[in-house]
Amino acid sequence: GPKVLQIPSHQIIDMGQMVTLNCDPVSNHLYFYWYKQILGQQMEFLVNFYNGKVMEKSKLFKDQFSVERPDGSYFTLKIQPTALEDSAVYFCASSWDRSNTEVFFGKGTRLTVV
Amino acid sequence: GEQVEQLPSILRVQEGSSASINCTYENSASNYFPWYKQEPGENPKLIIDIRSNMERKQTQGLIVLLDKKAKRFSLHITDTQPGDSAMYFCAARGSALGRLHFGAGTQLIVIP
Repeated sequence: GPKVLQIPSHQIIDMGQMVTLNCDPVSNHLYFYWYKQILGQQMEFLVNFYNGKVMEKSKLFKDQFSVERPDGSYFTLKIQPTALEDSAVYFCASSWDRSNTEVFFGKGTRLTVV
Repeated sequence: GEQVEQLPSILRVQEGSSASINCTYENSASNYFPWYKQEPGENPKLIIDIRSNMERKQTQGLIVLLDKKAKRFSLHITDTQPGDSAMYFCAARGSALGRLHFGAGTQLIVIP
């Protein structure tokens, strides 16, 4: 079936450094999402993105976070600078539309900030 | 409010019996309710969903019920197998922009 690919699967980074998480969404999808999951807890919405713009973001989407998808390449989540509390698994997701179709999730990137 | 509450957090059942997971939501405008199964180290995978124009949906040993008045929806797994052991998340979509609100998850353990 359709797959969302995330690179890398694991990333360890020093606090204060910048990190970019990469996502290759399902090829014909138009809506893209990032979710954050701390171990053993629920997935929490960060942001959704459509047509080159952020459509909606949550309180967890701090000023240090940014997203982009330049010219149909990877959909990226950048954190600059990172903080210890950013350690989590970040899931990228995509869907064809925003209301009626399935949202597909990637396997996540486990980010550890030390 | 947008919160989705999910219970129980852990569910142990004997192989062959049924398992039920319950979720409630706050936003009466929510219109789409997916259920995801997540195995360790894997991505959450959609197993069944229901839209607000339905009260019941069934597929391959899974039944979902939706009670819009009570703002409650539930997943029932009939004839559980060890392969059903995983984390299960309910979610509700209430935002017109596609955002899903997830429950805290249920760890289902099927005992052979």
